[in-house]
Amino acid sequence: QVQLQESGPGLVKPSQTLSLTCTVSGGSISRGYYYWNWIRQPAGKGLEWIGRIYTSGTTNYNPSLKSRVTVSIDTSKNQFSLRLSSVTAADTAVYYCARDIFVDYTHYYGMDVWGQGTTVIVSS
Amino acid sequence: QSALTQPRSVSGSPGRSVTISCTGRSSDVGAYNYVSWYQQHPGRAPKFVIFDVSKRPSGVPDRFSGSKSGNTASLTISGLQGEDEADYYCCSYAGSQTYVFGTGTKVSVL
Repeated sequence: QVQLQESGPGLVKPSQTLSLTCTVSGGSISRGYYYWNWIRQPAGKGLEWIGRIYTSGTTNYNPSLKSRVTVSIDTSKNQFSLRLSSVTAADTAVYYCARDIFVDYTHYYGMDVWGQGTTVIVSS
Repeated sequence: QSALTQPRSVSGSPGRSVTISCTGRSSDVGAYNYVSWYQQHPGRAPKFVIFDVSKRPSGVPDRFSGSKSGNTASLTISGLQGEDEADYYCCSYAGSQTYVFGTGTKVSVL
C-alpha cells in the first residue's frame, strides 16, 4: 500500500523560498502511470491545487501560482519536491502531497492517496 | 482558474439524504466527466469518495453517489450517519492537465 509523507521547514520568512519533500513508501515512485501532486489548505479554508509531476518529469502548474512554483522528482530517493518562491503570509497553509488516482492499473483524474499534511507558516 | 462553487453548509437528520452541489464552468465541470469528491474530517487529510463523476472506490459505502448535469456536479449521501459529518470538496479536471477544487461544504448530521 503506497503511503506519502511530507517533510520540510515549518517556518519560512517572507520573500524566501518554501521547500517541501514528499517521500513515497510502499511502492516505486516511477512505477506505472503515476502523477504526483501538491495541494494546500490555509487554516479554515478550502483546498487549492498547486501542481503535479509525472514520473518522466513533465510538470503542470496552477496558472495562478505558476510563476513561483517548481515541482521536481528524484526517482533514486523515491521523492518528489515543491519549491514556492517569494512567499508571503498568504502562503501559510497545510501542504499535502497526493497521487493521481490509479485503480486497477488505470489512471483516473483526481487524487487517491494523500499524505497527512505538513503545516508551513510564513512569518518573520 | 476560479474555484468551483459549493454551498457553505448542508444538514440532515440521521437516515435522511443530503445533496451537495458543485457548480463550475463549461471549461471544467461541463467539459469533462472527471469530477471527484473528497471527505475531510477535522485535522485529517482528505479521502476520496467518488471519481469520474459517479464511480465509487473500493471500500466507500454505496450511500455515496455522484452525478452531473451541465456545469453542475452533485454528491448525494443517503442514509446519513453520524460519521458522515465532515467537510466535502469537489474537484474537476480543468484542461491542460490542471485541476480546480470546490469551495467546500460542511455537512452536519442533526
